[in-house]
Amino acid sequence: GAGVSQSPSNKVTEKGKDVELRCDPISGHTALYWYRQSLGQGLEFLIYFQGNSAPDKSGLPSDRFSAERTGGSVSTLTIQRTQQEDSAVYLCASSPWEENGYTFGSGTRLTVV
Amino acid sequence: DAKTTQPTSMDCAEGRAANLPCNHSTISGNEYVYWYRQIHSQGPQYIIHGLKNNETNEMASLIITEDRKSSTLILPHATLRDTAVYYCIVRLFPGTASKLTFGTGTRLQVTL
Repeated sequence: GAGVSQSPSNKVTEKGKDVELRCDPISGHTALYWYRQSLGQGLEFLIYFQGNSAPDKSGLPSDRFSAERTGGSVSTLTIQRTQQEDSAVYLCASSPWEENGYTFGSGTRLTVV
Repeated sequence: DAKTTQPTSMDCAEGRAANLPCNHSTISGNEYVYWYRQIHSQGPQYIIHGLKNNETNEMASLIITEDRKSSTLILPHATLRDTAVYYCIVRLFPGTASKLTFGTGTRLQVTL
């Protein structure tokens, strides 16, 4: 597609459940990023993938959070044993290696009840 | 990445130029200045970036001071649709696809 696609657009889950959030980057973009944005807050970096290099996981807030990127394309962010503080909009972005700027998706709004 | 300082909020009348300042006094020689904006309920949108020369594209102009310690994003004819939070970010480029560190940005309100 023309842009970064994220699914689902909205997710409501019960506390303690696991969730998976999906990101389809722009075709050919080698770099993929995950951010999250809590209500009224700024963007918080979570993780990024660049080609076949080891991902930069420095922003993951706890070991309940993990992400993978299969075949250098689609990425899945998994949150285990969700907590209410995990409620936020999770944003994915991609860029080519020689990039002018990231292209962000519309995000997944996660609500933990 | 160098830290940036931006005003919390600004107002601009529709049709007038919006000038959004950013201070980045600790910027290093190989760091670029990027601007993004985030319209309510949407993901951030890339606007423009530059190293030391002034840059212009279809969205905006970027003016970087000679000492590179500050810059100004100019929206030449602001419209209501330009109401958003504008983020000034400095980072390494090119070939160093790395994380963008977003600060709190400037909330621009364009009014009639």
